Amino acid sequence: QVQLQESGPGLVKPSQTLSLTCTVSGASISSGGYYWSWIRQPAGKGLEWIGRIYTTGSTNYNPSLKSRVTISVDTSKNQFSLKLSSVTAADTAVYYCARVTATGIFGYWGQGTLVTVSS
Amino acid sequence: QSALTQPASVSGSPGQSITISCTGTSSDVGGYDYVSWYQQHPGKAPKLMIYDVNNRPSGVSNRFSGSKSGNTASLTISGLQAEDEADYYCSSFTTTSIFVVFGGGTKLTVL
Repeated sequence: QVQLQESGPGLVKPSQTLSLTCTVSGASISSGGYYWSWIRQPAGKGLEWIGRIYTTGSTNYNPSLKSRVTISVDTSKNQFSLKLSSVTAADTAVYYCARVTATGIFGYWGQGTLVTVSS
Repeated sequence: QSALTQPASVSGSPGQSITISCTGTSSDVGGYDYVSWYQQHPGKAPKLMIYDVNNRPSGVSNRFSGSKSGNTASLTISGLQAEDEADYYCSSFTTTSIFVVFGGGTKLTVL
């Protein structure tokens, strides 16, 4: 059974960088065949795709966030990470990591982690 | 504003059927059979219910079905049960630079 688990600080100050890690179990990122993605959801609002990464390190980002987002992968630890720079209150959301196919099927999700941007 | 348009809310009584629509464009819903539907209960992660327009993952009830006509996809839930009360999101692969777009979500209330 594929499982994903987000981890990282729950509180980030404005203008700083949000950093989260997703640990994958039950599947190997290095096996290929799937992308690994980050999605976020502000309270009471819908889902927003942030970006994705393949085992090779190839990435794609949401154009609306591209200038501030970096997604990286560590196949030795079976983890991938998200960095979002220059955060504001608008970046406060539950952040999910997920496994996604090339055609956009998000089959497995982490439980989500709330990140609040506040001083 | 979300890329795909869903009704904000729908409701139905136990045992009834409801349909949730998801309208996009020829660059997403209308262009590919890569529409998915997700169920999200409060405080929980989304769960894949339908993929590739009308396919159910293993373990998902056959009361859930999907379809598509032109730029609009639909999710139908038959034999409504109390446990179906949740938010539902559609998504679609897109040829634009964004890769995948989501609908704004529909809150299903079981009366």
